[in-house]
Amino acid sequence: GAVVSQHPSRVICKSGTSVKIECRSLDFQATTMFWYRQFPKQSLMLMATSNEGSKATYEQGVEKDKFLINHASLTLSTLTVTSAHPEDSSFYICSAIPGGAFYNEQFFGPGTRLTVL
Amino acid sequence: AQSVTQPDIHITVSEGASLELRCNYSYGATPYLFWYVQSPGQGLQLLLKYFSGDTLVQGIKGFEAEFKRSQSSFNLRKPSVHWSDAAEYFCAVAERGGGNKLTFGTGTQLKVEL
Repeated sequence: GAVVSQHPSRVICKSGTSVKIECRSLDFQATTMFWYRQFPKQSLMLMATSNEGSKATYEQGVEKDKFLINHASLTLSTLTVTSAHPEDSSFYICSAIPGGAFYNEQFFGPGTRLTVL
Repeated sequence: AQSVTQPDIHITVSEGASLELRCNYSYGATPYLFWYVQSPGQGLQLLLKYFSGDTLVQGIKGFEAEFKRSQSSFNLRKPSVHWSDAAEYFCAVAERGGGNKLTFGTGTQLKVEL
């Protein structure tokens, strides 16, 4: 099956620093990737849609200057949390959709646990 | 407003017992419907999906779900639960023509007693 990886799986950083999270589709090309945020014991909230070669589309209420998304290739999207603060601590999950059919299944990465001290 | 509701936050069942996890949605038109399972350290895995046609959908790991338009529901079932089924289960919907964007329910944590 299609595999999506995320790196790192866990990161701890100091308040005010920036953190980059990578999402890779390992065995397929992903024209579209999504970034989600999951708070403890809560659901996944869509943050943004990332399309290769174009600017990401952010959901309402998500600060685009805080959460920078770059989808530079068909297998890699990155999420950079800029000037991180403790309230940015969360579980970040990406998903990727292979190109093609009229509706495609999303394949999810294992997630990245971000802790901001 | 469009929403997905999973009324049960936690469910505990004995191994071998049957299972039903509830999911209700509120959308203008019937969306695409999904059930995912999330286990620690692993990405969300798709159990099954409903696009159209037969309202009883078979999925992986012995799961099935039934779409009921009149009740706006898409409940997940399994006739005999295994201890390895303990995980978090999410119902999700995607609006038809909505660009593959998923809206997730709040999840149901399943505990299996041996």
